[in-house]
Amino acid sequence: GENVEQHPSTLSVQEGDSAVIKCTYSDSASNYFPWYKQELGKRPQLIIDIRSNVGEKKDQRIAVTLNKTAKHFSLHITETQPEDSAVYFCAAGAGGTSYGKLTFGQGTILTVHP
Amino acid sequence: NAGVTQTPKFQVLKTGQSMTLQCAQDMNHNSMYWYRQDPGMGLRLIYYSASEGTTDKGEVPNGYNVSRLNKREFSLRLESAAPSQTSVYFCASSERAGHTDTQYFGPGTRLTVL
Repeated sequence: GENVEQHPSTLSVQEGDSAVIKCTYSDSASNYFPWYKQELGKRPQLIIDIRSNVGEKKDQRIAVTLNKTAKHFSLHITETQPEDSAVYFCAAGAGGTSYGKLTFGQGTILTVHP
Repeated sequence: NAGVTQTPKFQVLKTGQSMTLQCAQDMNHNSMYWYRQDPGMGLRLIYYSASEGTTDKGEVPNGYNVSRLNKREFSLRLESAAPSQTSVYFCASSERAGHTDTQYFGPGTRLTVL
């Protein structure tokens, strides 16, 4: 089955700095790579996703890049703000016989210091 | 729309007791999922239902059973709870069966087994 590794497990930055979280996956059939943000005590919520036919996607201060050859993808957050502090999860999924199941990484605790 | 709802929010069980976690969605989604979240381990898939009338095992199904009662509802049952099942349980749903669509999560159930 799919295996997703996420690094780092914790990340501490100063407000205004950039943050980068990296994930690798093992199954070449995976074609969908979402990122979820989970605030303390809350549910995970999708912040951005990318499909395998696209190399990069941006949404305001967040961007995701995908390298299918190397089987890795990354989340980039620019101009970080204290409200960006949360746990971030990457995931990988495939349709077809995988029925859209997602395999999640272990999570990154991001702390943005004012 | 309420989205994905879960009951109860909190539960404390003694070893050997049974209980059912309830999940419902009002988005007319076809696929539904049960995850457990443990510190440092991300979200792990317990069971999923790609469409009404079908269920299948995920990564960590042992000790659990599920029922897809209808298109809206997907329940998770612990027949004989064990301390290792202490966790936060999330239900999720996505629109299309067999496709990698956004998964929408419920608020979670925090379960403690003594």
